[in-house]
Amino acid sequence: DAKTTQPNSMESNEEEPVHLPCNHSTISGTDYIHWYRQLPSQGPEYVIHGLTSNVNNRMASLAIAEDRKSSTLILHRATLRDAAVYYCILRGNAGGTSYGKLTFGQGTILTVHP
Amino acid sequence: DTGVSQDPRHKITKRGQNVTFRCDPISEHNRLYWYRQTLGQGPEFLTYFQNEAQLEKSRLLSDRFSAERPKGSFSTLEIQRTEQGDSAMYLCASSPSVAYEQYFGPGTRLTVT
Repeated sequence: DAKTTQPNSMESNEEEPVHLPCNHSTISGTDYIHWYRQLPSQGPEYVIHGLTSNVNNRMASLAIAEDRKSSTLILHRATLRDAAVYYCILRGNAGGTSYGKLTFGQGTILTVHP
Repeated sequence: DTGVSQDPRHKITKRGQNVTFRCDPISEHNRLYWYRQTLGQGPEFLTYFQNEAQLEKSRLLSDRFSAERPKGSFSTLEIQRTEQGDSAMYLCASSPSVAYEQYFGPGTRLTVT
């Protein structure tokens, strides 16, 4: 499986934007970039995913580099409820070797200060 | 929509005992996944089902582990002859198809003493 690299931890203040980086230099052309987060004592939660173009949803935005070797998850206004571990995951397309399952790394622990 | 549910939420057992966990996926989700998570690590894939068929098993799933999904609805994960190294959070997830995001349950925390 293609690997992702994320900082171990990041800190933010409440109501400020947060940019969570992810490097995936070995990404293949059919790999989707997925982000999940895990709040304390809960199962992971889907945040957003994309292939080539930037994506927005109600939770966050995903900015994907033109060469697709890196991406950034953007939380526009962090709240205390956004404190979690954020995982950047590459997920293959149907028929690929990483089809179906999610391969989690250690993720980035986001701390949000009031 | 009640989400993915798992039972029990916590299980304490003595080494050598057998344990069984249950996962109820979101209704009509044909894919069901099991993951294991130890403290400070991300979840690790164990196995997944499409309907009642078990399509992939991780090398982590030793002979002491078995998973079933009869009739393509709920799933059970059984661990025989538990060892202290089996202590972890066991997470279940479901999805309507491989192209969709996975929805995770709250997990079952297993402690082997």
